[in-house]
Amino acid sequence: SQTIHQWPATLVQPVGSPLSLECTVEGTSNPNLYWYRQAAGRGLQLLFYSVGIGQISSEVPQNLSASRPQDRQFILSSKKLLLSDSGFYLCAWRKSGLNYGYTFGSGTRLTVV
Amino acid sequence: SQQGEEDPQALSIQEGENATMNCSYKTSINNLQWYRQNSGRGLVHLILIRSNEREKHSGRLRVTLDTSKKSSSLLITASRAADTASYFCATENNALAIFGAGTRLFVKA
Repeated sequence: SQTIHQWPATLVQPVGSPLSLECTVEGTSNPNLYWYRQAAGRGLQLLFYSVGIGQISSEVPQNLSASRPQDRQFILSSKKLLLSDSGFYLCAWRKSGLNYGYTFGSGTRLTVV
Repeated sequence: SQQGEEDPQALSIQEGENATMNCSYKTSINNLQWYRQNSGRGLVHLILIRSNEREKHSGRLRVTLDTSKKSSSLLITASRAADTASYFCATENNALAIFGAGTRLFVKA
């Protein structure tokens, strides 16, 4: 069966520090991968998605970047965090093609102080 | 930008009652999906309904889709305290899902 791992669960980082959040998927190949951010009590904002190794599409220009160094690994990064980067970050995957649901990781609560 | 908008924003009911949440959207879609999120956790996929379908069932869940009105509803029958969570609709077009802000459901025991 397929599983998705996302870590860390919580993170407190000072303003200006770098960020690296990692997400890996097991039990499938060539998944579509996604990074979402959720503000408190709000919906999900799509940040990045990837349909293959090295293929990254950005939905929102901001202080973050994403990379997909391996088929089932998706990394969210920042060189210098801003206070506004605080939020709940969720990684998700789904099969390529239409009409498949998304499977989400357990999320990372990032607080920038 | 947000595509789906859930209504109501919050809903409080007694255990055993039915809960109905609605989702409206603006553009054409390939499918519409419903998810549940418990506080501080990731989202869990509940049900997907394709644009050419009108109704789907899964256990105590019933989802309807009216593409002419660009709306969907999620019905949870015989609710339980464990159904307390936020529920999100997501509309998918061109292989990208856009989520609404969610309905917060509280089921009182």
